[in-house]
Amino acid sequence: NAGVMQNPRHLVRRRGQEARLRCSPMKGHSHVYWYRQLPEEGLKFMVYLQKENIIDESGMPKERFSAEFPKEGPSILRIQQVVRGDSAAYFCASSLDRATYEQYFGPGTRLTVT
Amino acid sequence: QQQVKQSPQSLIVQKGGISIINCAYENTAFDYFPWYQQFPGKGPALLIAIRPDVSEKKEGRFTISFNKSAKQFSLHIMDSQPGDSATYFCAASSRSFGNEKLTFGTGTRLTIIP
Repeated sequence: NAGVMQNPRHLVRRRGQEARLRCSPMKGHSHVYWYRQLPEEGLKFMVYLQKENIIDESGMPKERFSAEFPKEGPSILRIQQVVRGDSAAYFCASSLDRATYEQYFGPGTRLTVT
Repeated sequence: QQQVKQSPQSLIVQKGGISIINCAYENTAFDYFPWYQQFPGKGPALLIAIRPDVSEKKEGRFTISFNKSAKQFSLHIMDSQPGDSATYFCAASSRSFGNEKLTFGTGTRLTIIP
């Protein structure tokens, strides 16, 4: 599968628990973006990462949310102490490099907080 | 100033007709304008994109028209088919922001009726 992979596809967490969302970019891509889509809304930028670096986290809430993209392995979006308002679809997209505009999206992780 | 406004919110077109979705932006720094197609439960799929140095781009039944002076761009789907029924998002980005994070419109739910 040469596309962007995300897992899990569906995640249910109780309020106060932690959620970990994983994203493996397309082969050869070293740039990852995370977006959040609330029900019946468009996608909102959260964070942009390159391997081992956070480039832009201006769209990410200051508390409870963090992201990483280690040298080896997938990018991780981590949400601590989840609340009902965190329920959304979280998508990651990857691009080849800084010179390439095109972003390709994964299938998303649908987080439900009960 | 970073908003992208999309209309209509929903659209019903008869099979074989032309579907037209419009977007407007304010930030003249935007220099890349993609359209994404999203089916329920799936991630957005890159459909077609345009840069401001051209006024029109066509790929099969899909055409982007771009009006730089009016800061507007639109997606035209010719000979619309039931399989085109999906939600369409316009987006914009600018390298001058330091990265290519996408700013999305709010989406148009397109329904093609037989």
